[in-house]
Amino acid sequence: DGGITQSPKYLFRKEGQNVTLSCEQNLNHDAMYWYRQDPGQGLRLIYYSQIVNDFQKGDIAEGYSVSREKKESFPLTVTSAQKNPTAFYLCASRGPSGRTGNEQFFGPGTRLTVL
Amino acid sequence: QQQVKQSPQSLIVQKGGIPIINCAYENTAFDYFPWYQQFPGKGPALLIAIRPDVSEKKEGRFTISFNKSAKQFSLHIMDSQPGDSATYFCAASHSGNTGKLIFGQGTTLQVKP
Repeated sequence: DGGITQSPKYLFRKEGQNVTLSCEQNLNHDAMYWYRQDPGQGLRLIYYSQIVNDFQKGDIAEGYSVSREKKESFPLTVTSAQKNPTAFYLCASRGPSGRTGNEQFFGPGTRLTVL
Repeated sequence: QQQVKQSPQSLIVQKGGIPIINCAYENTAFDYFPWYQQFPGKGPALLIAIRPDVSEKKEGRFTISFNKSAKQFSLHIMDSQPGDSATYFCAASHSGNTGKLIFGQGTTLQVKP
C-alpha cells in the first residue's frame, strides 16, 4: 500500500518548545516538500529536498528546520523561533519528471496547535 | 511574478450546476497547471492537470480550459454533486528538477442538494 504518511495527526505544543513532525513515503520518490496551510490561504512552501542529504529553503523557512538522511523520510522541526506556528502542515513527494510530470502527492497532514 | 491569483474565494451552487473557478498567472515560464481538491482535515489530491500545448482537457465531470495568451486557466465542474463540496486549489510550476508548485489561495465550493 504505497503512499505518504504523516504523524502525528494532531500535535499540541507549549510556547518555547521545539516539535518535530514526521513524514514518510514508500513511493521511491526523490523529491519531498513541506507546506504550511492557514485558513483562507493557499499552501506556502517551507522547505524542499530533491535528493538525500540536500534541501533548500522555501518561501517561509524562518523558524523551521529539516533533515533528509534517508530517501523515505523528511522530518520537519518547528522551533521556538517560529512566531506563529499554529497551522496545518502538509508533506508531499514527487516522482521523476519523465513519468508523472510535476505531480506532487500529499500526505494527510498534521494539525499543530500552540497552547 | 511568481503569484497565482485564484477567484472566487467561495462559491455556492445548486446540485447539477456548473461551478467555474478561475486562475491567472504572470510567469510565462510556467508550463504545468494542476488543480487539487481538498476535503476538510485531509491532504490535497490531484484532480486534473494541463500543459500549455492544449487549450482544454476533460476528465470525467472536470474540465480545465487554458488560455495561454491571457495567462489564465479555469476549472469547470459539470453536473456538480454535493460530494464535490470541497476546497479547490489551482497551481503552476515550470519544468525543472525542483518541481516547486505555486498555489492559488483556494476556492471553497458548496454544492447544495
